[in-house]
Amino acid sequence: GAVVSQHPSRVICKSGTSVKIECRSLDFQATTMFWYRQFPKKSLMLMATSNEGSKATYEQGVEKDKFLINHASLTLSTLTVTSAHPEDSSFYICSARLGYDEQFFGPGTRLTVL
Amino acid sequence: RKEVEQDPGPFNVPEGATVAFNCTYSNSASQSFFWYRQDCRKEPKLLMSVYSSGNEDGRFTAQLNRASQYISLLIRDSKLSDSATYLCVVRSGGYQKVTFGTGTKLQVIP
Repeated sequence: GAVVSQHPSRVICKSGTSVKIECRSLDFQATTMFWYRQFPKKSLMLMATSNEGSKATYEQGVEKDKFLINHASLTLSTLTVTSAHPEDSSFYICSARLGYDEQFFGPGTRLTVL
Repeated sequence: RKEVEQDPGPFNVPEGATVAFNCTYSNSASQSFFWYRQDCRKEPKLLMSVYSSGNEDGRFTAQLNRASQYISLLIRDSKLSDSATYLCVVRSGGYQKVTFGTGTKLQVIP
């Protein structure tokens, strides 16, 4: 099946710093990628839809200036959490859409902000 | 009402048992339905799509009831390796956006 990678898998940072998470589709091109976050024992929540070559579409309640998304190529989307705070600590997962319906998920990035 | 609702469980069943989960959705215009499996601290993985006519893949059977707006997943002859959280996923309101349920946790006991 299609493979999506994420880097880093785990990051611990100090409050106020910015963290960049990369999402790559390794064996296919993805014009659309998605960014989710998941709190413990909660469902995945879609944060934004990342479209190659255009601005991301953010879900209601997600601050676009805080969660910067760049989809510079057909195989790479990045999420930058700017000025991270402890409440931003979460599990961030990206997915890449292949075809009409199917999404393949990255392994996730666990962010801990101290 | 939540867009997609699932019983969080946990469902604790013995090996070999048959277990069924339901998932209800609120948007009658929803177009596509899926079951994903998520192991602890791992990413979700597609288990199966749910078609109007229902579909079966080995021990797993998924069904869609549009009139009552729910989908179901039946697991026969449960294995220990089936222990995971099963996520109901619904696509609606445009072909890109999907909504996840909170998941149903299954624990298969020896």
